[in-house]
Amino acid sequence: GQNIDQPTEMTATEGAIVQINCTYQTSGFNGLFWYQQHAGEAPTFLSYNVLDGLEEKGRFSSFLSRSKGYSYLLLKELQMKDSASYLCAVRDPNTDKLIFGTGTRLQVFP
Amino acid sequence: GAVVSQHPSWVICKSGTSVKIECRSLDFQATTMFWYRQFPKQSLMLMATSNEGSKATYEQGVEKDKFLINHASLTLSTLTVTSAHPEDSSFYICSARVRGREAIGELFFGEGSRLTVL
Repeated sequence: GQNIDQPTEMTATEGAIVQINCTYQTSGFNGLFWYQQHAGEAPTFLSYNVLDGLEEKGRFSSFLSRSKGYSYLLLKELQMKDSASYLCAVRDPNTDKLIFGTGTRLQVFP
Repeated sequence: GAVVSQHPSWVICKSGTSVKIECRSLDFQATTMFWYRQFPKQSLMLMATSNEGSKATYEQGVEKDKFLINHASLTLSTLTVTSAHPEDSSFYICSARVRGREAIGELFFGEGSRLTVL
């Protein structure tokens, strides 16, 4: 089966750093994506990892460990506008589909 | 680049009527389009995959006669919710894969359509 787990909710303070974890057990793996989704809006692409290691893109970084079935999204210098849901998705090489986790709702407080 | 336009953004209809949602790739050709459904505070649930010129592939539990998908060209896919009922009320989102960048697998999402069936 396909299983992707993320924490349901997280809170953090403006200016702080937050790490959102994602663990997956899937029958195959061909890349992991992180998307941001504000309430009532469509998801927007944040990052893509297919090899182990850290990918940095501005305030956002994403890490992948394929052997552990684990990824995290790191958000630095949090801003109020970062309050959103963050979706982890794994690409299934057999079906070529993205399988989404349940998403993590992050709320940033002043 | 890679803009996906989805219309309408929101629609309210009476029970028993049909609603069509359009998804267009504006500046690229989409070899594959995916249709998702999202209930409040939940993640995206894949409904079906459509490839240009062929029949859509539906996920288990999704009624193909109720959710009609047409992918007539490389830039347009439509989802028609037939004989809509209140339980069909949801947020429907299309996404597209860019032709020539399939190896990466990144999806570009439309703005979403919120359907409310009275």
